[in-house]
Amino acid sequence: GIQVEQSPPDLILQEGANSTLRCNFSDSVNNLQWFHQNPWGQLINLFYIPSGTKQNGRLSATTVATERYSLLYISSSQTTDSGVYFCAVELTGGGNKLTFGTGTQLKVEL
Amino acid sequence: DAEITQSPRHKITETGRQVTLACHQTWNHNNMFWYRQDLGHGLRLIHYSYGVQDTNKGEVSDGYSVSRSNTEDLPLTLESAASSQTSVYFCASSDGLAGGGNEQFFGPGTRLTVL
Repeated sequence: GIQVEQSPPDLILQEGANSTLRCNFSDSVNNLQWFHQNPWGQLINLFYIPSGTKQNGRLSATTVATERYSLLYISSSQTTDSGVYFCAVELTGGGNKLTFGTGTQLKVEL
Repeated sequence: DAEITQSPRHKITETGRQVTLACHQTWNHNNMFWYRQDLGHGLRLIHYSYGVQDTNKGEVSDGYSVSRSNTEDLPLTLESAASSQTSVYFCASSDGLAGGGNEQFFGPGTRLTVL
């Protein structure tokens, strides 16, 4: 099956710092989503981004489908950004079934 | 507002018991999915459905079953609960046809403990 790798696995930032999270995938996809799992366990949709670039406030994401990777940028980080960030992909022809990466655990400190 | 809900939010049961986890969505989505989340494995697909009376096995379907009698609900049943099924279970839904490429939205999760 498709492999989804995220890096780094863990990240500690000072409040106000910027960061880039990466998601590599091993095959062509027709869906890629980024999620934030908050400390209460809820999965929050950040971006639906099979290709191109999107921005939402301090967050932005870029997917380069031809090179099989996606990046999530967090600028001016806040303590509320803490949690686990997952990317999930749907293999082309995969019937909307998502395969998740193992996530990046982010902690933002004051 | 449309939403997806799960119940119960927490459940403790004993080995061998049958357990049913409920999932209800008001998005009127065709597609519904069940995932489990375990440390070191991320989320993995258990079962999914593309519409009423349609069900399909996912990556980790052994010991689980689902049924889809209407658009809104996809209950997940553990036929005989095992300690290896202690996990957090997430339900999700998406619009569109089985061809895929649609954004999925997740419920709040159910934490199940099997003693």
